[in-house]
Amino acid sequence: DGGITQSPKYLFRKEGQNVTLSCEQNLNHDAMYWYRQDPGQGLRLIYYSQIVNDFQKGDIAEGYSVSREKKESFPLTVTSAQKNPTAFYLCASSRRESLNQPQHFGDGTRLSIL
Amino acid sequence: AQKVTQAQTEISVVEKEDVTLDCVYETRDTTYYLFWYKQPPSGELVFLIRRNSFDEQNEISGRYSWNFQKSTSSFNFTITASQVVDSAVYFCALSGSYNTDKLIFGTGTRLQVFP
Repeated sequence: DGGITQSPKYLFRKEGQNVTLSCEQNLNHDAMYWYRQDPGQGLRLIYYSQIVNDFQKGDIAEGYSVSREKKESFPLTVTSAQKNPTAFYLCASSRRESLNQPQHFGDGTRLSIL
Repeated sequence: AQKVTQAQTEISVVEKEDVTLDCVYETRDTTYYLFWYKQPPSGELVFLIRRNSFDEQNEISGRYSWNFQKSTSSFNFTITASQVVDSAVYFCALSGSYNTDKLIFGTGTRLQVFP
């Protein structure tokens, strides 16, 4: 089945540690996205990538980094500079053959501070 | 600036009741798209509908219907004869003509359907 796989489902970070969240898609989508969701809030865009080897900052990129070396993969690193990383992280992808395509989401990773 | 407002934080209904989730948006773009997503307790967002700004026809899909009114900048979502499985958080979102990949989300409405 085609879809988006995020791992791990739960992740714990110690103070001062970098952690990496995995996102893999087999939908052959060009664009991929990372969102952060906090309780009672909507999704906020962290980074997005429209094509391999290129990515842009979203609205809350500080303290995060990404790479896009393969079309299928868009890992997100939460660095120690992100002082409030506890949140639910969602990865998404979409086609780009035409504009404003719906985004398809993974199951999310819940990150907590130890 | 673009903005999506979902004023209803939480709605509770009893099974078989009809329920409407409100969505009001702001944008200066003449071409834009509106979306609804469902987030069940499992966490993933499920795409429900996409509507462009030039198509104001209401849409019905089974028990779901959507009412798009440009005059009031609203894109409301109605569930008819609600079921327990409809319990979820529902998000309305907007994308514009300038940066078409960026989705602006509302804060979501949590719907609880009780048996």
